[in-house]
Amino acid sequence: AQTVTQSQPEMSVQEAETVTLSCTYDTSESDYYLFWYKQPPSRQMILVIRQEAYKQQNATENRFSVNFQKAAKSFSLKISDSQLGDAAMYFCAYRRGNTGNQFYFGTGTSLTVIP
Amino acid sequence: DAGITQSPRHKVTETGTPVTLRCHQTENHRYMYWYRQDPGHGLRLIHYSYGVKDTDKGEVSDGYSVSRSKTEDFLLTLESATSSQTSVYFCAINGASAREQYFGPGTRLTVT
Repeated sequence: AQTVTQSQPEMSVQEAETVTLSCTYDTSESDYYLFWYKQPPSRQMILVIRQEAYKQQNATENRFSVNFQKAAKSFSLKISDSQLGDAAMYFCAYRRGNTGNQFYFGTGTSLTVIP
Repeated sequence: DAGITQSPRHKVTETGTPVTLRCHQTENHRYMYWYRQDPGHGLRLIHYSYGVKDTDKGEVSDGYSVSRSKTEDFLLTLESATSSQTSVYFCAINGASAREQYFGPGTRLTVT
């Protein structure tokens, strides 16, 4: 089974500052996808960003960007200009390429945004 | 909003009773999934379906069964609930590109 590791159970950031959440994964595959999901107190799982392993360019979605290091099997999420609404649990997830249906999730990082 | 609903949203039941959770989608997607979320474990796959009457096990399938008689509905059944099945259960479907997954609002199940 694939493993996804989030080594930071909790993180905090001052409003308007930048924070980076870490994720590492273990795989022998060359074709796969990586994701960050956000889970606010409402419990809804929200897709934040997606990265295809075959793409060298790091994905960006507005204030959210990733640092994808394929050789190191590292996939960190950077949140710029943090806002109070960014406070949530963040989950890193892995999915094998075209033939894979199962997602593997990390244990999550709880992000607190300090006003 | 990916058009996924789950019912019930909250349920409290006693050990040994059967429980069925329902997931309904309006997107006509082929693949549907059931996960459970527990502190310290993230989300773990219970079962998934790749079409009507086509299902397969995930990594934590013991004690659970599923059925899919219509494209839009995927049912998760706990034949005899145990306290270890107290959890939050999420249903998910694949996105249009089939790369990402979209989740329902979750069902909090408490087994006393």
